[in-house]
Amino acid sequence: AQSVTQPDIHITVSEGASLELRCNYSYGATPYLFWYVQSPGQGLQLLLKYFSGDTLVQGIKGFEAEFKRSQSSFNLRKPSVHWSDAAEYFCAVFLGGGYQKVTFGTGTKLQVIP
Amino acid sequence: DTGVSQDPRHKITKRGQNVTFRCDPISEHNRLYWYRQTLGQGPEFLTYFQNEAQLEKSRLLSDRFSAERPKGSFSTLEIQRTEQGDSAMYLCASSLAPQNTEAFFGQGTRLTVV
Repeated sequence: AQSVTQPDIHITVSEGASLELRCNYSYGATPYLFWYVQSPGQGLQLLLKYFSGDTLVQGIKGFEAEFKRSQSSFNLRKPSVHWSDAAEYFCAVFLGGGYQKVTFGTGTKLQVIP
Repeated sequence: DTGVSQDPRHKITKRGQNVTFRCDPISEHNRLYWYRQTLGQGPEFLTYFQNEAQLEKSRLLSDRFSAERPKGSFSTLEIQRTEQGDSAMYLCASSLAPQNTEAFFGQGTRLTVV
């Protein structure tokens, strides 16, 4: 079945530590890939996206993500986390063609401790 | 342009009442999406419009739900005879197809059915 998996429901990191959030997808073709961030009670903000080309993409707020076709993964990283990064992060895919909608993973909630 | 706006931000209603939400997309965007997000979950696709045409509806959209986009600009989502299970955040997003698959989200309408 087609799916987007974020295996980590909740992650806690110390401020200043590095961060990696995992995302795997299960589709026949390479989809368009996105990472969104959602603060409590707010809508979603796009952090970065991958359509094609360079597999390491840079986003806003110092985030980056790497597409690995062999692993069907699109993991989000940040070298040094700030307290303001505490939020929920969603990986999402867009297939295009006849599937004109973005499908989201279940999210990873990030807690940042001082 | 201030982005995608949704109204109201919060709605509390009694079970059995009807509610209507409004979404104003980014002005030049031809595609408009509705999603529902329950606590601890990622957004789930409900329906989308290409201009004024409703092109896809999820099985989540029961016959109590109806969405319209009469002039291809703003959209409304109506829920009739609300049930407690309808309590969720309802998110609207818009995009410019086919050039840009990136969806921009509004801040959502939080519905509480009591």
